[in-house]
Amino acid sequence: GEDVEQSLFLSVREGDSSVINCTYTDSSSTYLYWYKQEPGAGLQLLTYIFSNMDMKQDQRLTVLLNKKDKHLSLRIADTQTGDSAIYFCAETSDYKLSFGAGTTVTVRA
Amino acid sequence: GAVVSQHPSWVICKSGTSVKIECRSLDFQATTMFWYRQFPKQSLMLMATSNEGSKATYEQGVEKDKFLINHASLTLSTLTVTSAHPEDSSFYICSPRARVRSGPVDTQYFGPGTRLTVL
Repeated sequence: GEDVEQSLFLSVREGDSSVINCTYTDSSSTYLYWYKQEPGAGLQLLTYIFSNMDMKQDQRLTVLLNKKDKHLSLRIADTQTGDSAIYFCAETSDYKLSFGAGTTVTVRA
Repeated sequence: GAVVSQHPSWVICKSGTSVKIECRSLDFQATTMFWYRQFPKQSLMLMATSNEGSKATYEQGVEKDKFLINHASLTLSTLTVTSAHPEDSSFYICSPRARVRSGPVDTQYFGPGTRLTVL
């Protein structure tokens, strides 16, 4: 986890956009990922981006990748209460996933 | 998505006892199994990687004699915490990966985790 860093908390109003940021260190990572963890459940893959892309959009989710700065972000449009969870970014190194510490997103009414 | 079960979901045990955690991939075959440990407010830390029928490969700092991993079949892996102590209290998560030749690791799934508390 020490090679992948992300902020620990984010509070957002329902209906607003959420932006979760992440920095990573392994420039050889082929793919970068965002996972969601809800209480009592396993990690769920939300989306991933190939390292030669700089943006990927999937419904309400937008992933931006700045490979030069090794910066990854996840934008959730029109954030809903069901989006409250812990979000992990992850990179692959030698086919192993390295995770950040997770960002706890709290959606308030 | 694929279904992964872990049993038990939580366990409380006395110091010195051993605890076995089972992980099953219910609708796919897992050629590789990853075991993670997660502390509160911290990231998942990879403990070991095992391939079906082979000995597990442990990450640096993880005692192989303390955390016994068995991956006897493509649908079942177990993690046994031997002679557990309070510092072993943690959240243990298994992560089976389906057979793939190439492509992203979107075929790596995660179990719901097992909360171990050692008194």
